[in-house]
Amino acid sequence: NAGVTQTPKFRVLKTGQSMTLLCAQDMNHEYMYWYRQDPGMGLRLIHYSVGEGTTAKGEVPDGYNVSRLKKQNFLLGLESAAPSQTSVYFCASRDGNQPQHFGDGTRLSIL
Amino acid sequence: GQQVMQIPQYQHVQEGEDFTTYCNSSTTLSNIQWYKQRPGGHPVFLIQLVKSGEVKKQKRLTFQFGEAKKNSSLHITATQTTDVGTYFCAGRMNTNAGKSTFGDGTTLTVKP
Repeated sequence: NAGVTQTPKFRVLKTGQSMTLLCAQDMNHEYMYWYRQDPGMGLRLIHYSVGEGTTAKGEVPDGYNVSRLKKQNFLLGLESAAPSQTSVYFCASRDGNQPQHFGDGTRLSIL
Repeated sequence: GQQVMQIPQYQHVQEGEDFTTYCNSSTTLSNIQWYKQRPGGHPVFLIQLVKSGEVKKQKRLTFQFGEAKKNSSLHITATQTTDVGTYFCAGRMNTNAGKSTFGDGTTLTVKP
């Protein structure tokens, strides 16, 4: 049982490049989340999904897109990366009223 | 929108001293969860509080949920070096069960 797996763990991009972060969970959870964490800022919600085929905006959605084509996967896309998107990205999933399970994070640097 | 404020931002203690972090929401919550994140790690769930006035204990950790379900606290008795990390609260509103709002966390350092 792997839980929540994020790919990749580290990535360096140049400004303007695009990339997709993958989150996969094997717990059959309905809800999935993407957060970014900056020093001293806590966890800020980018986008989330309450089920397969649905997505919703969080607190800081600008510059990001997401897709939940399969229940187990939640993809976060950066169409044109900017230095302000340098951060640690965490994916999480949960079911019902249960707590969130987090992945190990993706450390993204944009030069 | 919903805001969850957490204080203090940082706390430095001597090993053996007590520690408390407080969480306050601008709106009534359906539940509140507490997570711990070790340096370089990811948030790990500690506990969930649901009922008004609820108190739960985990060894040296005591969690409380306020009567109005708008505030919560985490108290650690006799801190140890293993308690080092950032403690986050996360509140869920009745009107949107799909997501929780995290506080900015309290970072605890413990001097041996």
